[in-house]
Amino acid sequence: AQKVTQAQTEISVVEKEDVTLDCVYETRDTTYYLFWYKQPPSGELVFLIRRNSFDEQNEISGRYSWNFQKSTSSFNFTITASQVVDSAVYFCALRGNEKLTFGTGTRLTIIP
Amino acid sequence: NAGVTQTPKFRVLKTGQSMTLLCAQDMNHEYMYWYRQDPGMGLRLIHYSVGEGTTAKGEVPDGYNVSRLKKQNFLLGLESAAPSQTSVYFCASSYDFIRGAISNQPQHFGDGTRLSIL
Repeated sequence: AQKVTQAQTEISVVEKEDVTLDCVYETRDTTYYLFWYKQPPSGELVFLIRRNSFDEQNEISGRYSWNFQKSTSSFNFTITASQVVDSAVYFCALRGNEKLTFGTGTRLTIIP
Repeated sequence: NAGVTQTPKFRVLKTGQSMTLLCAQDMNHEYMYWYRQDPGMGLRLIHYSVGEGTTAKGEVPDGYNVSRLKKQNFLLGLESAAPSQTSVYFCASSYDFIRGAISNQPQHFGDGTRLSIL
């Protein structure tokens, strides 16, 4: 079975704090892809990053960074020096051989 | 550059009515998808298409039908709407070289359609 768990339903932090969003996945496939999407209050879904199962290098893009660890089946997302514009629902997703599964999302609120 | 366009953006239906949601993409993507988003459940795949003239069932296909007569359009139909189908519906598209199973490329989403069934 394929599963994506985002255990943090809601997180609130004060602006400029760092915050990490957790994503844990389960799959039997040896080749798979992991994604993060952002859904701001306006409602649209925006692609942030894709990582394949053979590439465990961490990625940094500005204030965003992603930590992929196959040993713990996790693909966590960290926002450094958070800003109010980061307030959104963030979804982690897993694409295995046959199926694409989204987590239930983490609602992040940045308090000014 | 429009990307993925969904119409309508909002709709209220009575139980038993039918309607069609339209999704159009101008990126020449092979793959198109329909999702529903419900509170606490994330996005669930209803149906998808890996190319013109093809469709396949996703995770929650019951009560819905789809058609992909043209590459740029993917229609989602509700033949007899039920209150359980009240949701926000998202269409997405993606590009891939290989036809077949679900693409591993990032998906581009429309802005969603908020549908209420009374």
